[in-house]
Amino acid sequence: AQSVTQLGSHVSVSEGALVLLRCNYSSSVPPYLFWYVQYPNQGLQLLLKYTSAATLVKGINGFEAEFKKSETSFHLTKPSAHMSDAAEYFCAVSDRKGYQKVTFGIGTKLQVIP
Amino acid sequence: NAGVTQTPKFQVLKTGQSMTLQCAQDMNHEYMSWYRQDPGMGLRLIHYSVGAGITDQGEVPNGYNVSRSTTEDFPLRLLSAAPSQTSVYFCASSTGTGTYGYTFGSGTRLTVV
Repeated sequence: AQSVTQLGSHVSVSEGALVLLRCNYSSSVPPYLFWYVQYPNQGLQLLLKYTSAATLVKGINGFEAEFKKSETSFHLTKPSAHMSDAAEYFCAVSDRKGYQKVTFGIGTKLQVIP
Repeated sequence: NAGVTQTPKFQVLKTGQSMTLQCAQDMNHEYMSWYRQDPGMGLRLIHYSVGAGITDQGEVPNGYNVSRSTTEDFPLRLLSAAPSQTSVYFCASSTGTGTYGYTFGSGTRLTVV
């Protein structure tokens, strides 16, 4: 069965500092991997996705993530945090078979300190 | 460009009452899903559909029912509400391949008292 583990349910960074949100996955086959962002009282919005093309994936709002098969990781980064990045971030995995059920991590709340 | 529309946005139910959460998408997506979001638990799949007339259970289906009579609509029915069903419910849709990720609705916040 596929799963994702997000390390750290809460992360705080200073404005302008590097953002690093960790995600490790478990899948028996090469997966599709996603990062979503959720702002307060809103639905989830797709930030970026890995679907077996380039291992370094660029998304919206300056975020990027690198697929590392050897480490089974898909960490999300942004060089310089902005106040508007404060939100909850979810890593997700699907197994490419059939319906491709998507399994979500528990989420990481990012706080940006001015 | 409505995307995925969920109604209502908020609802309070008494234990034992039934209700239907509505979900509609205008993107001609084949796949539609219902998730519930609870603190510390991420999103858990309730039911999903791979096309009109085809539905299946997800991770937490008990107490919920779905049908998919059209491509556009995927309502979620609570048969007899319980306090454990207090949650935020999200409907999501995607293309058949799944490679583009989900488009989510804005959610329904349900409280069962």
